[in-house]
Amino acid sequence: AQSVTQLGSHVSVSEGALVLLRCNYSSSVPPYLFWYVQYPNQGLQLLLKYTSAATLVKGINGFEAEFKKSETSFHLTKPSAHMSDAAEYFCAVSGRAGNMLTFGGGTRLMVKP
Amino acid sequence: EAEVAQSPRYKITEKSQAVAFWCDPISGHATLYWYRQILGQGPELLVQFQDESVVDDSQLPKDRFSAERLKGVDSTLKIQPAELGDSAMYLCASSFSLGPTGELFFGEGSRLTVL
Repeated sequence: AQSVTQLGSHVSVSEGALVLLRCNYSSSVPPYLFWYVQYPNQGLQLLLKYTSAATLVKGINGFEAEFKKSETSFHLTKPSAHMSDAAEYFCAVSGRAGNMLTFGGGTRLMVKP
Repeated sequence: EAEVAQSPRYKITEKSQAVAFWCDPISGHATLYWYRQILGQGPELLVQFQDESVVDDSQLPKDRFSAERLKGVDSTLKIQPAELGDSAMYLCASSFSLGPTGELFFGEGSRLTVL
């Protein structure tokens, strides 16, 4: 069984500030971890994924995430927020049995001018 | 750029009515998923197909929901009868293979409102 917990349903940052969105996972097997972004009334788009290669993963739009096994975490960061980053972000985990993703509850990122 | 197509984008219906959603995955993608996303929550898997076969439908409320992918290409998700609690976004996704590291490509979703 696997699950994902995203700490903070809403995060607000100023434009240019660091973005940190938290994700902790639980998995009985070595996990594959993903971050997806969802803009209003749209589907989900993959930002980045961890598949047991490098623990620091770089994605699109300047985002990156670091897999920390000891902390069972996969937090998403971006050094400098842009207004266009305002969206909902979902962390997800899949196991080796297939690519059925289990999603966290999501974090809505708001960027203030 | 290839996309997952879904229709309708929006559907308003009264409870006890039947509704259907259609999904056309990216060409060549063997695996197709239907997710339900209740407002303010993450998507939850309803059903997964590999070609025309169901891989997992353990979370599909089978008393009222049905899904099919008869020719292993496009898929239909049906709800009959609809209940107020079915109001949600229904997302279709596809991937090239069944492996755990494959990227899922999502459609824009079908938003259902049950009155």
